[in-house]
Amino acid sequence: VTQNPRYLITVTGKKLTVTCSQNMNHEYMSWYRQDPGMGLRLIHYSVGEGTTAKGEVPDGYNVSRLKKQNFLLGLESAAPSQTSVYFCASSYSRGDQGGDNQPQHFGDGTRLSIL
Amino acid sequence: GEDVEQSLFLSVREGDSSVINCTYTDSSSTYLYWYKQEPGAGLQLLTYIFSNMDMKQDQRLTVLLNKKDKHLSLRIADTQTGDSAIYFCAEGPFSGGYNKLIFGAGTRLAVHP
Repeated sequence: VTQNPRYLITVTGKKLTVTCSQNMNHEYMSWYRQDPGMGLRLIHYSVGEGTTAKGEVPDGYNVSRLKKQNFLLGLESAAPSQTSVYFCASSYSRGDQGGDNQPQHFGDGTRLSIL
Repeated sequence: GEDVEQSLFLSVREGDSSVINCTYTDSSSTYLYWYKQEPGAGLQLLTYIFSNMDMKQDQRLTVLLNKKDKHLSLRIADTQTGDSAIYFCAEGPFSGGYNKLIFGAGTRLAVHP
């Protein structure tokens, strides 16, 4: 799972996009944010090409899954509260059929600072 | 609601065993996971256990699951300096929730000589 960019510094109000790519033919992709002293929190996820859904903390973010291998995270108007480390994850399984486990694979993270 | 709790810090001597504990609230998840995060890196899946199992052993790693108390632990035998990292407990997926994972805040393991 590859994320770009790995590091980004920008200012309040800017529009930005972080990309995530996987070449494992995974159906499920997701974006998390990681903040100090907290676990990863799910922002948005996708269960297949052309689908997106909200996670726990979706406000201020948008996503798109135009191609199966790519899942884009967008910030329309960056805010200091969105300073965080963002992780993309993917799995073959959508997780809604029970049974066989297909664990999620994580990217190396994108460290985003908004001044 | 779904919640996962872990202690934030653990310090052990090299060669000793480490035990990292985790409690969770939602017992409907299918699996419980342990992920390892080294500085500047993503999360690496260490091991996982099916929610109807009690124990899983994988080389130096032993996972114990107490479903009654909703308690999960990870034991690392013969802990090495290379085991120093943050360890995350997570549970999922949930019924009807696709492959959503709920994570604890992570336990920072420090291994000293």
